[in-house]
Amino acid sequence: NAGVTQTPKFQVLKTGQSMTLQCAQDMNHEYMSWYRQDPGMGLRLIHYSVGAGITDQGEVPNGYNVSRSTTEDFPLRLLSAAPSQTSVYFCASSSGLRHGYTFGSGTRLTVV
Amino acid sequence: AQTVTQSQPEMSVQEAETVTLSCTYDTSESDYYLFWYKQPPSRQMILVIRQEAYKQQNATENRFSVNFQKAAKSFSLKISDSQLGDAAMYFCAYRSAPSGSNYKLTFGKGTLLTVNP
Repeated sequence: NAGVTQTPKFQVLKTGQSMTLQCAQDMNHEYMSWYRQDPGMGLRLIHYSVGAGITDQGEVPNGYNVSRSTTEDFPLRLLSAAPSQTSVYFCASSSGLRHGYTFGSGTRLTVV
Repeated sequence: AQTVTQSQPEMSVQEAETVTLSCTYDTSESDYYLFWYKQPPSRQMILVIRQEAYKQQNATENRFSVNFQKAAKSFSLKISDSQLGDAAMYFCAYRSAPSGSNYKLTFGKGTLLTVNP
């Protein structure tokens, strides 16, 4: 049981480039989310999904897109990278309220 | 909207001693869940302990326990017999129970715990 798998672990992008952060979970969880972590800011919600085919915006959605075509996968797309998107990104999944979220190991993204 | 406040950006404790990390939250809801997550230097987010708001009994997990004061909207984490491996950033998090708003965790900004040998 791999849990939540994120790839890549590290990435450097140039301003204006696009890329996709991959996230997959093998626990059949309904809920999936993307968070970004910045120093002194805690974790902030980017986008979330409550099931396949259903996605919505979180607190900081600008510059990011998501899709959820299957229960397992929830990729995050950066449309045109900006230095302000330099951050650590976490994907997380949850089966229900009382279980909290299980997190992936994170992606450290640097935009130069 | 709910907010979570961790008023101690940094804390330190001597190995084998006890330390308490503070967390307060603001909500108008009566049903919700609270969590403490640990983030060691490896960056992995690890669930330490959870509390269901409708339960009066404080949750415990081995050396970790909470002091949940619902009326005061306080949720502190006590670590007993601190070990070097407890050194990490600790995040308090809130999750609503009602459907339509229970999709997200709201995090505090974290408390960095140092354990001194």
